[in-house]
Amino acid sequence: DTGVSQDPRHKITKRGQNVTFRCDPISEHNRLYWYRQTLGQGPEFLTYFQNEAQLEKSRLLSDRFSAERPKGSFSTLEIQRTEQGDSAMYLCASSLGRDNNSPLHFGNGTRLTVT
Amino acid sequence: SQKIEQNSEALNIQEGKTATLTCNYTNYSPAYLQWYRQDPGRGPVFLLLIRENEKEKRKERLKVTFDTTLKQSLFHITASQPADSATYLCALPRTGTYKYIFGTGTRLKVLA
Repeated sequence: DTGVSQDPRHKITKRGQNVTFRCDPISEHNRLYWYRQTLGQGPEFLTYFQNEAQLEKSRLLSDRFSAERPKGSFSTLEIQRTEQGDSAMYLCASSLGRDNNSPLHFGNGTRLTVT
Repeated sequence: SQKIEQNSEALNIQEGKTATLTCNYTNYSPAYLQWYRQDPGRGPVFLLLIRENEKEKRKERLKVTFDTTLKQSLFHITASQPADSATYLCALPRTGTYKYIFGTGTRLKVLA
């Protein structure tokens, strides 16, 4: 169990640029989540995949955000035309979905700063 | 609307004492509740899960209670140590969805 890994750890970009983050979940985990966290707040749900299918998306996820999980393995989160309000920590989590109460295993996140 | 509340003020306690953190929720009837620990710059780490039919759950120095009447969970760390200093988050499954909703977390500082 090598844990959930996220890349890059930090990203600084100028407003209007596109960015893409990668998440490699624990290999046998079929469920994958993206969350966003700002300072002093708890993680806020963005989207959920079961295997390769994106089954749920937050209404907070504007059309500038897109996520994929090809072949049910790693996942990418892309933000187009970044805005300063997108600055946050983006967390990926995975779980083994035998039942709905499986704990989430989080990566250490990608910290995005939009200047 | 469904809401989770944790005390956003930091909790400072002396080493060796018991820390008690609170998670209150409204308009939920969760089947279970989870607690996570988060250190600065890191992702949350799962600690404990308690189901609605369990009043109490223990793991080493940790104890969680779940009162579905009061709509409250208490998280206790006994014999606290400076290494327990972190932010502690509670999380509930949102009914009818796949997602977990997290509280804002309570920052605990254990003073040596």
